[in-house]
Amino acid sequence: DGGITQSPKYLFRKEGQNVTLSCEQNLNHDAMYWYRQDPGQGLRLIYYSQIVNDFQKGDIAEGYSVSREKKESFPLTVTSAQKNPTAFYLCASSPGAGGGLGYEQYFGPGTRLTVT
Amino acid sequence: GQNIDQPTEMTATEGAIVQINCTYQTSGFNGLFWYQQHAGEAPTFLSYNVLDGLEEKGRFSSFLSRSKGYSYLLLKELQMKDSASYLCAAYAGNNRKLIWGLGTSLAVNP
Repeated sequence: DGGITQSPKYLFRKEGQNVTLSCEQNLNHDAMYWYRQDPGQGLRLIYYSQIVNDFQKGDIAEGYSVSREKKESFPLTVTSAQKNPTAFYLCASSPGAGGGLGYEQYFGPGTRLTVT
Repeated sequence: GQNIDQPTEMTATEGAIVQINCTYQTSGFNGLFWYQQHAGEAPTFLSYNVLDGLEEKGRFSSFLSRSKGYSYLLLKELQMKDSASYLCAAYAGNNRKLIWGLGTSLAVNP
């Protein structure tokens, strides 16, 4: 079945460590996105990529880094510079073309990161 | 600037009808999405409107007025499983991203 996978579902790290969250899609989508969601809050865009080997900062990119070396994969690294990294992280993808509906985003199950 | 507003919380009774409103201000507007998100899970797509009017999908309908920058999601015959957060998102074609509202938390009571 086509879809988006994120692993692991729960991740625990010590403060000061970098951690990489994985996101893989087999939908053949060009565009991929990383969001952060805090309790009771909406989605905040961290980074997005519209095509392989290219990505742009979202609204809250500080303390995060990404790469897009393959169409299927868009890993997110949470660095020690991120002041408050504990959150629910969601990866999404979309076809990225074909008018507005081409930007319907399909979400992975999310990774809940806890840093202590 | 670009902004989306929706109520923070709503409560309704099982079997009833509820309307969740969303107002938006975006440049290059090219469509409005509604998503449903249950607690601890990922958002799932409900509807997309790009033209004015009502789109009906079973118990859920979505309406758009582009001139007023306004949309609503209508849920009929409410069920307990409809208790969730409902997210409104506008597609702003000039930057190819979705602009997200903070979500409306709907509680359906027996």
